[in-house]
Amino acid sequence: KNQVEQSPQSLIILEGKNCTLQCNYTVSPFSNLRWYKQDTGRGPVSLTIMTFSENTKSNGRYTATLDADTKQSSLHITASQLSDSASYICVVSDSGNTPLVFGKGTRLSVIA
Amino acid sequence: DAGITQSPRHKVTETGTPVTLRCHQTENHRYMYWYRQDPGHGLRLIHYSYGVKDTDKGEVSDGYSVSRSKTEDFLLTLESATSSQTSVYFCAITPDRNTGELFFGEGSRLTVL
Repeated sequence: KNQVEQSPQSLIILEGKNCTLQCNYTVSPFSNLRWYKQDTGRGPVSLTIMTFSENTKSNGRYTATLDADTKQSSLHITASQLSDSASYICVVSDSGNTPLVFGKGTRLSVIA
Repeated sequence: DAGITQSPRHKVTETGTPVTLRCHQTENHRYMYWYRQDPGHGLRLIHYSYGVKDTDKGEVSDGYSVSRSKTEDFLLTLESATSSQTSVYFCAITPDRNTGELFFGEGSRLTVL
């Protein structure tokens, strides 16, 4: 069964610190992996997409990595800000016609 | 921002009553989805559409029906609402189901008493 597991479930960090969120998947065949940010009370918004041939991609203070061999991805947030407080959702797509597979998300709280 | 709106944004209803949620897009995207989001479960697919009058079930479709008579509108209907359907419902659209980014609406919070 295609699954996406995210860890940790929740995380609290001090403003200015770095953090890394993990995503492990069993989706096969793999097409791409997206990280979404969901602010409280809002719909998710895409941060970055990783395809099979990409290892690292940055979007400002967000850096995503992908290891297609071990089926793992991470999202690293540098110099966190209060506005980074949100849920981060990992979503994996296969190359067929099955629906996208969502992780349950990591709830990040950045405190002053 | 993608042109996608959901209505109503908030609704409180009683068990056994019918409820319809509307998703309207101005992007002319082919694919439209309805998800529900609950604590501990994340986003789960209810139904999706890949064109006018073309719909299919997701993983949690029991108790829900959908219709898409126009490209821009995707309706989610709860024929007889139950308390287990209390949730936040999100509509999403994309031009490409495999590689495309999902654009989500703001969500509709439904409470069934």
